[in-house]
Amino acid sequence: SQQGEEDPQALSIQEGENATMNCSYKTSINNLQWYRQNSGRGLVHLILIRSNEREKHSGRLRVTLDTSKKSSSLLITASRAADTASYFCALNSGGSNYKLTFGKGTLLTVNP
Amino acid sequence: NAGVMQNPRHLVRRRGQEARLRCSPMKGHSHVYWYRQLPEEGLKFMVYLQKENIIDESGMPKERFSAEFPKEGPSILRIQQVVRGDSAAYFCASSPPTSGSVDEQYFGPGTRLTVT
Repeated sequence: SQQGEEDPQALSIQEGENATMNCSYKTSINNLQWYRQNSGRGLVHLILIRSNEREKHSGRLRVTLDTSKKSSSLLITASRAADTASYFCALNSGGSNYKLTFGKGTLLTVNP
Repeated sequence: NAGVMQNPRHLVRRRGQEARLRCSPMKGHSHVYWYRQLPEEGLKFMVYLQKENIIDESGMPKERFSAEFPKEGPSILRIQQVVRGDSAAYFCASSPPTSGSVDEQYFGPGTRLTVT
């Protein structure tokens, strides 16, 4: 199964700035999900976008999906120090409706 | 409603010993997934279980690894004769029964296995 690739690997910004992370993949997907992982902790589901959707919002999060370019972006607006974490995109593709394939993640550091 | 529980949180084993990792899914969830995260890597799917059934173990190494989800009690991931390469964080996730796609998996805090 395919794996998403997040870009950049690491991102450091100041509090209040926006953070944008990207995820690219190679073959068609059923849906794409973004997760957050704080250091040494489990993953928290942020947002799911289906292959027939182009944009979704949840609070300060905005996710876009461009299936023609096989890429997705996660935008966090007005970032806070508490947003410091690793962010992963997870792909659900193929015949499985449950198997998630995770990329290596983007480490976001928000400086106060 | 307690989240997904995993224990122990940290486990140290010597090479050749057995490691048992436990996962209690969220209340009402009957689907359990195990993932492994190697250092600096994303999570890799290992196995998907429902009560008393292994649905998909395509991500599980063929030898030394086994998983179960009995009718009563937690799901267990068992690694026999551990080697240094088994050192990783093992995450369990659960989801409720569904007739369609699984939209969200709820993850536990993970068990960090260190093999010395």
